[in-house]
Amino acid sequence: GNSVTQMEGPVTLSEEAFLTINCTYTATGYPSLFWYVQYPGEGLQLLLKATKADDKGSNKGFEATYRKETTSFHLEKGSVQVSDSAVYFCALSDNTGGFKTIFGAGTRLFVKA
Amino acid sequence: DGGITQSPKYLFRKEGQNVTLSCEQNLNHDAMYWYRQDPGQGLRLIYYSQIVNDFQKGDIAEGYSVSREKKESFPLTVTSAQKNPTAFYLCASTPQGTHTEAFFGQGTRLTVV
Repeated sequence: GNSVTQMEGPVTLSEEAFLTINCTYTATGYPSLFWYVQYPGEGLQLLLKATKADDKGSNKGFEATYRKETTSFHLEKGSVQVSDSAVYFCALSDNTGGFKTIFGAGTRLFVKA
Repeated sequence: DGGITQSPKYLFRKEGQNVTLSCEQNLNHDAMYWYRQDPGQGLRLIYYSQIVNDFQKGDIAEGYSVSREKKESFPLTVTSAQKNPTAFYLCASTPQGTHTEAFFGQGTRLTVV
């Protein structure tokens, strides 16, 4: 079945460092891909998305490119801030079996001042 | 403003009791979902519903029950059969169709005392 695999955390960076969180997926068909962010004690909120191959999603300085050839959707940010500390989830929209969203396990990011 | 409202934010349950978590949405979304999140872990799907009066089991449905009598409401009951109910519970909704993002509530933290 469809699945999402993302790098294990936690990831600890200093402020202004470059961030990469790897995400790969397995899917039949042509899923949409998403990154969600969860701040402590809250629900998830959409960070960015891409709906077809070679699309780049971007928001708040974060970006990710839908790479069908490598089945990847890696999250990047050029200069992280303390306020970016959160858990990041990669996900795909599974259009088989009822439009369920499949989530990766999440990667916790700590940014130090 | 449209969104998903979960209540209560914190809930304490004695062992052997059933408790019901509320989830209401005014986004006019067809599909609704319940996820369980344990500390440091990803999301696990409990139940989902794509249409009123219909729902399907997710990956960890044992010890839980749901109903979908109205489009905007999808309450989750944690029964006494759920052996380890302490967790963070997240409700989400999506419109039908592919390429759609999930919208999440703020979550309910359930603790067994």
